[in-house]
Amino acid sequence: SAVISQKPSRDICQRGTSLTIQCQVDSQVTMMFWYRQQPGQSLTLIATANQGSEATYESGFVIDKFPISRPNLTFSTLTVSNMSPEDSSIYLCSVEGTEKNTEAFFGQGTRLTVV
Amino acid sequence: GQQVMQIPQYQHVQEGEDFTTYCNSSTTLSNIQWYKQRPGGHPVFLIQLVKSGEVKKQKRLTFQFGEAKKNSSLHITATQTTDVGTYFCAARRWGKLIFGQGTELSVKP
Repeated sequence: SAVISQKPSRDICQRGTSLTIQCQVDSQVTMMFWYRQQPGQSLTLIATANQGSEATYESGFVIDKFPISRPNLTFSTLTVSNMSPEDSSIYLCSVEGTEKNTEAFFGQGTRLTVV
Repeated sequence: GQQVMQIPQYQHVQEGEDFTTYCNSSTTLSNIQWYKQRPGGHPVFLIQLVKSGEVKKQKRLTFQFGEAKKNSSLHITATQTTDVGTYFCAARRWGKLIFGQGTELSVKP
């Protein structure tokens, strides 16, 4: 299992500003994942953060809007840039077990409200 | 791309009643996972099914994987208020987890 510390847990931000979300894992992992969960909706993968290389973004998500850092094997950040009310959502970081096709572990999530 | 369809979207039951959520895919799945998200919480892994026709039980929860590995179900017997939350199935495609839409379960005491 993995213990993931994510912060902030929630924030209220002004439109046009940016917020950086941090994710710390208690063990070294190759890949970290960032998801968005809009109110009452499912989880949508934003990007996969790989240590030592650029993040891989899913369709509909771009680096300029959601820059990601992955400075080492236990830490990653996701920035939500130039925010608008449509970015109000829960953002979750996740890691997976060391074996292939194992379960995902999630951080507590960051509940973002843009006003 | 591959989608994992999950129904129903909502289910309201009286405490003690049973509950079932269904997950369907148009393509064969290598495995399927189930997660529970309590209100205000984050998804927590429940189980993974890998084999065709597999059935696994966790106390009052029964998980099934279809013979064709295209569908799965989660059944809760005699629901309790602690079962409240949203249940997601998730399938893996190209190494990434694709989540179903989730079924939100509410239980009236």
